[in-house]
Amino acid sequence: QQQVKQSPQSLIVQKGGISIINCAYENTAFDYFPWYQQFPGKGPALLIAIRPDVSEKKEGRFTISFNKSAKQFSLHIMDSQPGDSATYFCAARGGTNAGKSTFGDGTTLTVKP
Amino acid sequence: DAGVIQSPRHEVTEMGQEVTLRCKPISGHNSLFWYRQTMMRGLELLIYFNNNVPIDDSGMPEDRFSAKMPNASFSTLKIQPSEPRDSAVYFCASSLQGAYNEQFFGPGTRLTVL
Repeated sequence: QQQVKQSPQSLIVQKGGISIINCAYENTAFDYFPWYQQFPGKGPALLIAIRPDVSEKKEGRFTISFNKSAKQFSLHIMDSQPGDSATYFCAARGGTNAGKSTFGDGTTLTVKP
Repeated sequence: DAGVIQSPRHEVTEMGQEVTLRCKPISGHNSLFWYRQTMMRGLELLIYFNNNVPIDDSGMPEDRFSAKMPNASFSTLKIQPSEPRDSAVYFCASSLQGAYNEQFFGPGTRLTVL
């Protein structure tokens, strides 16, 4: 059972453009939604995270939009740069097993110069 | 300050051999997680510990896999006997205990079982 569905699988954006990655979850007990960035040969690193008491969180060029009723959240990367080229994972956790994260399948982002 | 340390970084072994992966969490962190990453299955949580106690091992694929955390600064993931389908990148992560605390990932161990 896949509890977090992520799309698209891959994304190509021109430098300066907006990159948008979407995730949907099923478990309404989830109450923490982090996004991770992973470069080749490295471990994932936390990029930005949101809790469902807010609909949007912005940190620099990165914004999470959260729609609790639709059980969806998305990552927006404004003014995308070649250095943003990486794989992005959404995740969700919470409920009775609050330490356990469920990850999306990942999106490979390529930003063309 | 050092991050999560994993060893070895690369391991190549033959089917049937025992493999031991090691992890040193960030000092002061009391939660430790073992993940496996493959192209087919993505990033999967295998097991996690709070205060050296295993909390959820439902992701451990089968009895060939075992994990221990004898103290707050060391954990091992053992595969015995190893099989080619175990080939993957294994990540260890640590955090302060709590649902909303950031998990810090190590650089991973790339395991190849021939």
